Amino acid sequence: DTEVTQTPKHLVMGMTNKKSLKCEQHMGHRAMYWYKQKAKKPPELMFVYSYEKLSINESVPSRFSPECPNSSLLNLHLHALQPEDSALYLCASSQADLGAGWNEQFFGPGTRLTVL
Amino acid sequence: SQQGEEDPQALSIQEGENATMNCSYKTSINNLQWYRQNSGRGLVHLILIRSNEREKHSGRLRVTLDTSKKSSSLLITASRAADTASYFCATVPLSGSRLTFGEGTQLTVNP
Repeated sequence: DTEVTQTPKHLVMGMTNKKSLKCEQHMGHRAMYWYKQKAKKPPELMFVYSYEKLSINESVPSRFSPECPNSSLLNLHLHALQPEDSALYLCASSQADLGAGWNEQFFGPGTRLTVL
Repeated sequence: SQQGEEDPQALSIQEGENATMNCSYKTSINNLQWYRQNSGRGLVHLILIRSNEREKHSGRLRVTLDTSKKSSSLLITASRAADTASYFCATVPLSGSRLTFGEGTQLTVNP
């Protein structure tokens, strides 16, 4: 299984809502990532988990809260988001043996988030 | 500024032609990777080339790396309409482990 799955595919939420994005992989990868991508722009790294521990937080606002419950799952909890947070949120995973960013990354299809 | 910058920003060619995209970067790298993204979808890894390698091939793809010029190129030969996508280079610096993406090249292959 070389697939990274993400749910939901689309999410519309108000600024006072709390929601979660989910990501799952069964490739035995021990590094998992969250990226944010605005239209016609490259993905921007948000968080990196390596061996289920948060290793990189790219100064992301606290209204985004990541969680890695086990080696296959990655969540992104959302609370009090702003309209400018509307974007495609991508999850990825990779081998972690050489360092989290040093191997090819496998991406999920993304969650298209709209904040009203 | 972005670690990787791609050139051109957009490229339109006919089926069967070759497509060449270039990427420049600023700092010393451990490796450089190329990814493809179809509209609104996730990214697909194409090739990873390490700093001690100069050229890699995968099917119709050829990637070169010139560390002295801090640049890389991606050549797609005999292009197909299905190659229409955005192509991103991404670098991993020697001093860290973050993968940083360039701005991307939008390739359109006309049937």
